[in-house]
Amino acid sequence: KAGVTQTPRYLIKTRGQQVTLSCSPISGHRSVSWYQQTPGQGLQFLFEYFSETQRNKGNFPGRFSGRQFSNSRSEMNVSTLELGDSALYLCASSPQPSLGFGYNEQFFGPGTRLTVL
Amino acid sequence: AQKITQTQPGMFVQEKEAVTLDCTYDTSDPSYGLFWYKQPSSGEMIFLIYQGSYDQQNATEGRYSLNFQKARKSANLVISASQLGDSAMYFCAMKHSGAGSYQLTFGKGTKLSVIP
Repeated sequence: KAGVTQTPRYLIKTRGQQVTLSCSPISGHRSVSWYQQTPGQGLQFLFEYFSETQRNKGNFPGRFSGRQFSNSRSEMNVSTLELGDSALYLCASSPQPSLGFGYNEQFFGPGTRLTVL
Repeated sequence: AQKITQTQPGMFVQEKEAVTLDCTYDTSDPSYGLFWYKQPSSGEMIFLIYQGSYDQQNATEGRYSLNFQKARKSANLVISASQLGDSAMYFCAMKHSGAGSYQLTFGKGTKLSVIP
């Protein structure tokens, strides 16, 4: 069974641009979560999608948005990029929502490293 | 405010020895969950273990166990019989509710180095 795939793996953008990252979950998984990892802020939860609906959300500004398609693939978009958006963006999938009553194990992808110049 | 504290930035352990990674948390929610993740140098996060706040027994997954002390608000990870492959960053995290949904708050992490 193929794991979680994220594209692209590396990306360089300039301030003010926008970027779209893609995540394909493990086959059969309907939940996708996104995380940002930076040296300064550490790991932070962005949001979780399940069956095309945003189920859970972290404390990020509206510049960060996401969506999920009917095949469970998810995209994350960051508009008006800032230098501080440079980070490793991790995506994780699970069969059911990972956050809620109890827990469903998440499987992570390799991440997309975004550099904003 | 929800907070996770990992006080050990780095730790060393001899191969085959047991090691405890500390994690304390702060929350006013009666219902929450605690996780440990491993992140090798490759960058990919790996889920290790989960403990719900209402779980009576400490969670165990193979060589990993979570020492859950609710009154002290601690959720330490114990790795038994350390292996070289255990060298990695370890993150403690807490699931909690807020603004109508759940969130996940992470600690800063502990870098574990296993010495042969």
